[in-house]
Amino acid sequence: EVVMTQSPATLSVSPGERATLSCRASQSVSDNLAWYQQKPGQAPRLLIYVASTRATGVPARFSGSGSGTEFTLTISSLQSEDFAVYYCQQYNNWPQTFGGGTKVEIK
Amino acid sequence: EVHLVESGGGLVKPGGSLRLACAGSGFTFSSYTMNWVRQAPGKGLEWVSSITSSSSDTFYADSVKGRFTISRENAKNSLYLHMNSLRAEDTAVYYCARPVGGYLHIGLDYWGPGTLVTVSS
Repeated sequence: EVVMTQSPATLSVSPGERATLSCRASQSVSDNLAWYQQKPGQAPRLLIYVASTRATGVPARFSGSGSGTEFTLTISSLQSEDFAVYYCQQYNNWPQTFGGGTKVEIK
Repeated sequence: EVHLVESGGGLVKPGGSLRLACAGSGFTFSSYTMNWVRQAPGKGLEWVSSITSSSSDTFYADSVKGRFTISRENAKNSLYLHMNSLRAEDTAVYYCARPVGGYLHIGLDYWGPGTLVTVSS
């Protein structure tokens, strides 16, 4: 199966700063990659799919890039509501697999 | 508005069985591939199973293959997960999720609130 590795595990950022999250696939997944945000006690929320397409209603401060094995989620200016855990997911191969998550916390 | 609501979770003994259900509304359920994703307490997300719109194809994670069965009743806008031979490691919140545009290989844009399954003696 395709192993998805996210880094860092925890990212401490001040409000208004830029956050860059990384996701690496153990083999190429083309651009078949999604990013999710999850807050405590809530279901995940889709942010990005096809590596760089924002889902409906997602603010423009969220952007995704990359293809193949290296992907990045960038939050251009962190807002208070952005502190959460972020997961990447590949859906290029069965089984679909998720990364272990990056927790974005307030610095 | 799209809504997904899971039900059927609870406490079950190891080796037991449980059937989860997911009711969909606000979209043409019969046109969408549907998925189950789970999350163990304090852990990350794990894809469990997918079923195509007509039930022609089903897919499973290795961890549940042979023990879980995904099915659907489009006339009732309902998705199911039949879970047998349950193990402690199956303890998790189970989410049903709908993919963007109903496609098989795409991100999941609507999720239910989840239902907790606890496997313990």
